Amino acid sequence: EAQVTQNPRYLITVTGKKLTVTCSQNMNHEYMSWYRQDPGLGLRQIYYSMNVEVTDKGDVPEGYKVSRKEKRNFPLILESPSPNQTSLYFCASSLGLGQGIDTQYFGPGTRLTVL
Amino acid sequence: AQKVTQAQTEISVVEKEDVTLDCVYETRDTTYYLFWYKQPPSGELVFLIRRNSFDEQNEISGRYSWNFQKSTSSFNFTITASQVVDSAVYFCALDNYGQNFVFGPGTRLSVLP
Repeated sequence: EAQVTQNPRYLITVTGKKLTVTCSQNMNHEYMSWYRQDPGLGLRQIYYSMNVEVTDKGDVPEGYKVSRKEKRNFPLILESPSPNQTSLYFCASSLGLGQGIDTQYFGPGTRLTVL
Repeated sequence: AQKVTQAQTEISVVEKEDVTLDCVYETRDTTYYLFWYKQPPSGELVFLIRRNSFDEQNEISGRYSWNFQKSTSSFNFTITASQVVDSAVYFCALDNYGQNFVFGPGTRLSVLP
């Protein structure tokens, strides 16, 4: 089954404790992206990757890191989480056609709480 | 900078009523893509439609229809004969070759029985 998986689905942590949210897709998609969803703000793009070893900042990259060493994986790293990073996080992938982005398939979301 | 506005924060309708969700966008690009996504109470994001900026033809899919008007930078979404299962948050989004994928704040639609 074609899907985007995220782990963990729920995470409660404390300020400053490094964490990684994994994202994996099995559709051989070139494009992957991370978003955070906050009430009243919709989804905001954190980072995106057009292909392996190619990553770029979205609208709200501060406090986050990503890497794209393999096509299927795109982990989101919070080196020193803070309470303002409490949010619902979505990973997405798409074929990344030459012009524009094809349909983005979203993972189920990771609800992160930073105390 | 790109921006998507969904002025309606929440809408409530009674089942079988028609409802239109508004989406207004801003971009300097001549080529772009517009999307609508649905987020039901279960939380997942469901793709509804993708529209190229060069294609202003309206689209109908069952009870769903979309009206794209480049002259007013709008991409409105209409649900005909709404059903309770349509209750969700709906997001409009704008894409510039993936380099700046921007979502609107969303409209929460409640369809009452």
